[in-house]
Amino acid sequence: QKEVEQNSGPLSVPEGAIASLNCTYSDRGSQSFFWYRQYSGKSPELIMFIYSNGDKEDGRFTAQLNKASQYVSLLIRDSQPSDSATYLCAVSGHYQLIWGAGTKLIIKP
Amino acid sequence: DVKVTQSSRYLVKRTGEKVFLECVQDMDHENMFWYRQDPGLGLRLIYFSYDVKMKEKGDIPEGYSVSREKKERFSLILESASTNQTSMYLCASRDPYEQYFGPGTRLTVT
Repeated sequence: QKEVEQNSGPLSVPEGAIASLNCTYSDRGSQSFFWYRQYSGKSPELIMFIYSNGDKEDGRFTAQLNKASQYVSLLIRDSQPSDSATYLCAVSGHYQLIWGAGTKLIIKP
Repeated sequence: DVKVTQSSRYLVKRTGEKVFLECVQDMDHENMFWYRQDPGLGLRLIYFSYDVKMKEKGDIPEGYSVSREKKERFSLILESASTNQTSMYLCASRDPYEQYFGPGTRLTVT
């Protein structure tokens, strides 16, 4: 059974600080890794995807992938109250994505 | 802009009713998915389809069936609704880089 694990949180971070979200996965053959954000009552929306080991930056967001250790992380710099949401990690399967249960992030003003 | 639409945002049905949830995507994607999402349980895959008339069971297919007669439309059917099927239902379609979600249908079975 392929699994994706995330700490459910809530993770509470002061406004302006760096939020660090982590995800581990079980299938060493996974090729693609995704971070989605889901606001309460809304659908998930893609923030970033990453395929290669190392860092990938997009504005305030940085995804980090370490295939040897089977983890992927998301850093949010200069956290804003609008970043408060549940963050879902997903890993590519054959046709579908394998989803973590999500980490609830709360940014305190 | 990719668009995935679902037939209803909110639905209330009685136990034992047959329920149809419709999903339409406009980007010619081959892969489509139905999930349910419950607090603390994350996204759970019910069924997916990788082509017209092709379907595969996901993690929790019991009590559900699907239909995909046209590429753009993927329907989820609850044969006989039960109270434990009260949930948020999310449809999605996928290209190689991203999975796009519809707005969701919050189904309540009383």
